[in-house]
Amino acid sequence: NAGVMQNPRHLVRRRGQEARLRCSPMKGHSHVYWYRQLPEEGLKFMVYLQKENIIDESGMPKERFSAEFPKEGPSILRIQQVVRGDSAAYFCASSPQGGADEQYFGPGTRLTVT
Amino acid sequence: EDQVTQSPEALRLQEGESSSLNCSYTVSGLRGLFWYRQDPGKGPEFLFTLYSAGEEKEKERLKATLTKKESFLHITAPKPEDSATYLCASYGGATNKLIFGTGTLLAVQP
Repeated sequence: NAGVMQNPRHLVRRRGQEARLRCSPMKGHSHVYWYRQLPEEGLKFMVYLQKENIIDESGMPKERFSAEFPKEGPSILRIQQVVRGDSAAYFCASSPQGGADEQYFGPGTRLTVT
Repeated sequence: EDQVTQSPEALRLQEGESSSLNCSYTVSGLRGLFWYRQDPGKGPEFLFTLYSAGEEKEKERLKATLTKKESFLHITAPKPEDSATYLCASYGGATNKLIFGTGTLLAVQP
């Protein structure tokens, strides 16, 4: 059973460009979460999605960031007009039922903004 | 505000030297306390979930325990391959999110 898959693993963008991060949850999991990990800081929740619905986006900056989890295909975290402060590791996690269910993490996408 | 604090920030042990990592939480209505292991450059790897005070779970050299205010991760006779960052996270209250501590960096020397 394949785990959570994320791509790309590494992404370099220049300031002002767009970054698209993809996440395929584990088979049978319909709940997806995105987290950001800055150097020397803990994992911070960004957004929680179910198929075609955003359940909680309270951790996501209101501007430039958006997320979706379409009926078909992976979940996408989109960052428009990236700035140097967006450089971080972005992790996706999935769970089968949400709530206090275990969340299984992918390997992450390391975004570098030059 | 819900908060999770881990201590110590870093811990260096000799192989075979048992110890404990601490995770203190302030969460109204805790519904789950999670432990993860994270190796450099990788995503967190799920270890345990504890749901109520008094609960204990074990896996190989690791044992996690939970009280009403904190959780401990006990490491018995650690080996160098146990070296990693151990993360604790709470889930509870009215939120739909895990709140993580900043982790304990464990180094086990042969």
